[in-house]
Amino acid sequence: GESVGLHLPTLSVQEGDNSIINCAYSNSASDYFIWYKQESGKGPQFIIDIRSNMDKRQGQRVTVLLNKTVKHLSLQIAATQPGDSAVYFCAENEGYSTLTFGKGTMLLVSP
Amino acid sequence: GAVVSQHPSWVICKSGTSVKIECRSLDFQATTMFWYRQFPKQSLMLMATSNEGSKATYEQGVEKDKFLINHASLTLSTLTVTSAHPEDSSFYICSATARMRVDTQYFGPGTRLTVL
Repeated sequence: GESVGLHLPTLSVQEGDNSIINCAYSNSASDYFIWYKQESGKGPQFIIDIRSNMDKRQGQRVTVLLNKTVKHLSLQIAATQPGDSAVYFCAENEGYSTLTFGKGTMLLVSP
Repeated sequence: GAVVSQHPSWVICKSGTSVKIECRSLDFQATTMFWYRQFPKQSLMLMATSNEGSKATYEQGVEKDKFLINHASLTLSTLTVTSAHPEDSSFYICSATARMRVDTQYFGPGTRLTVL
């Protein structure tokens, strides 16, 4: 049968720009959220996490914002670099150890 | 710390053969290990969860007789793809949690399986 191509949402930015990657999560009972970076052919790499009792958390060059009202999570990367090019996944945890991953966004950074 | 390794990193096999993938926690004891499958341009899909010394819990739609999981020790879990077919070709990723942080999963580098 005919196969349908799957396309990851893609965000293209210039080096030095700030990037914002968004994620809508599904379970209002989720209380822990994580952003992962995945480079081609590699496993996910932890970037930053946030618990549901917070609405913002900052790391080095990255900030995660959580809006529980609309079940929305965002990852902001400051001064994006070519090495930031990867697929970014959000993941939610309902309070047990099982994670549910979002669909992912490909970030392309042009020099 | 909290390093997870997988072996092999890639494997090519003939249709009908079985393939074993190992997942090891190198510097911590993994109370729970998870196996994920990822098709190209898709997200990670959880296949099963295993606790040391217990039978694995499989997600809906994952055939437990086809994907055999053994978690024989606190540092090793294996996934065996039995009677592999081309549609089993995928990127298989394991992760592990430690006793003190059960909500944090440490991921392995993945294993690329290609079934001819």
